[in-house]
Amino acid sequence: AQSVTQLDSHVSVSEGTPVLLRCNYSSSYSPSLFWYVQHPNKGLQLLLKYTSAATLVKGINGFEAEFKKSETSFHLTKPSAHMSDAAEYFCVVSNSGGGADGLTFGKGTHLIIQP
Amino acid sequence: DGGITQSPKYLFRKEGQNVTLSCEQNLNHDAMYWYRQDPGQGLRLIYYSQIVNDFQKGDIAEGYSVSREKKESFPLTVTSAQKNPTAFYLCASSIDGETGELFFGEGSRLTVL
Repeated sequence: AQSVTQLDSHVSVSEGTPVLLRCNYSSSYSPSLFWYVQHPNKGLQLLLKYTSAATLVKGINGFEAEFKKSETSFHLTKPSAHMSDAAEYFCVVSNSGGGADGLTFGKGTHLIIQP
Repeated sequence: DGGITQSPKYLFRKEGQNVTLSCEQNLNHDAMYWYRQDPGQGLRLIYYSQIVNDFQKGDIAEGYSVSREKKESFPLTVTSAQKNPTAFYLCASSIDGETGELFFGEGSRLTVL
């Protein structure tokens, strides 16, 4: 069994300040982990993925995430928020096979950017 | 441009009616998926298909049906048996079904009146 918990349903930051979106997971296998972003009334877009290579993963739009096995965490960060980053973010865990039918989505974190 | 096209974007339905949501992809991907999204929830898998003429139930398949007669197309029918069909429906594809890297359409919002 696997699960994913996004620790904050809403995060609000000022433009130009750092972003931290927290994600904890549980998995019986060596997991693959993903972050997706969804802008209002749109589909999801892959930001980055971890698949047992480097523990610090760089993604698009300046985002990165660090896989910490000891803490079972995969937090998403960005050094400086931009207004266009306002969106819903989903942390996703997959079983060891990595197949999309084995994905478990977190409930999402709504990121608000204050001008 | 390659991508996934969902239609219609908005759809209204009376109770007791079936409705079919279209999903077409030109990415030449083998695998296609249907998810349901409700406010404050993650995505839940309805059906998926890894090859033409074959598909499997996901976590919440009851009240839904699909077909995969062509590689490019994976329509979803929401039947009258679905007790709470009002939701945002997302279609996705992946290159071979072995990766969690999904490409999504822009979604179809179904409202039952």
